[in-house]
Amino acid sequence: IAGITQAPTSQILAAGRRMTLRCTQDMRHNAMYWYRQDLGLGLRLIHYSNTAGTTGKGEVPDGYSVSRANTDDFPLTLASAVPSQTSVYFCASTPDRGNAEAFFGQGTRLTVV
Amino acid sequence: GENVEQHPSTLSVQEGDSAVIKCTYSDSASNYFPWYKQELGKRPQLIIDIRSNVGEKKDQRIAVTLNKTAKHFSLHITETQPEDSAVYFCAASSLNDYKLSFGAGTTVTVRA
Repeated sequence: IAGITQAPTSQILAAGRRMTLRCTQDMRHNAMYWYRQDLGLGLRLIHYSNTAGTTGKGEVPDGYSVSRANTDDFPLTLASAVPSQTSVYFCASTPDRGNAEAFFGQGTRLTVV
Repeated sequence: GENVEQHPSTLSVQEGDSAVIKCTYSDSASNYFPWYKQELGKRPQLIIDIRSNVGEKKDQRIAVTLNKTAKHFSLHITETQPEDSAVYFCAASSLNDYKLSFGAGTTVTVRA
């Protein structure tokens, strides 16, 4: 692994199903983030974690949950997917809190039908 | 929390001309202002950033200016080339919460 990796790269999901998007980084960055990207709305922060063991809510947290059991992994879970969660999801990390370059994963394109 | 507004949403320029994108922010405690470029189907990548103790920063054909009093910052691309065509995002990070807040993005098209 080099940098930050997301899985899967794309997924079609039935409404009501549970889904976990995976994110792993090998840069030993303390802070990690999940954004969703929708046309005309830019990148909106869903949840973040400043360090292992802590998480916080971003701008659009409803319907999503995260955990940060260790430094490297930051999974995002949709407990019961709805069509409005159709989006491209990006995981990102920074060495410490947000005042430094953010490195992004390659994105997960999720379609909820 | 921080609110970042970005204009214009789309920008079409002739190759060789300059492109300017402007952003405003709301939180006076913001002190870090990066710009990201996202090519079609790719991830956003940092192209330049500026901190609040600097008014201007330049890297080859791109430059960023910051006006802390007015709470706005701008990206300038000179001598545009076809490979500059992409979506550009501004962002701001506040000392209050250190989260990166992004603008809505500007789609830049460079016409040959």
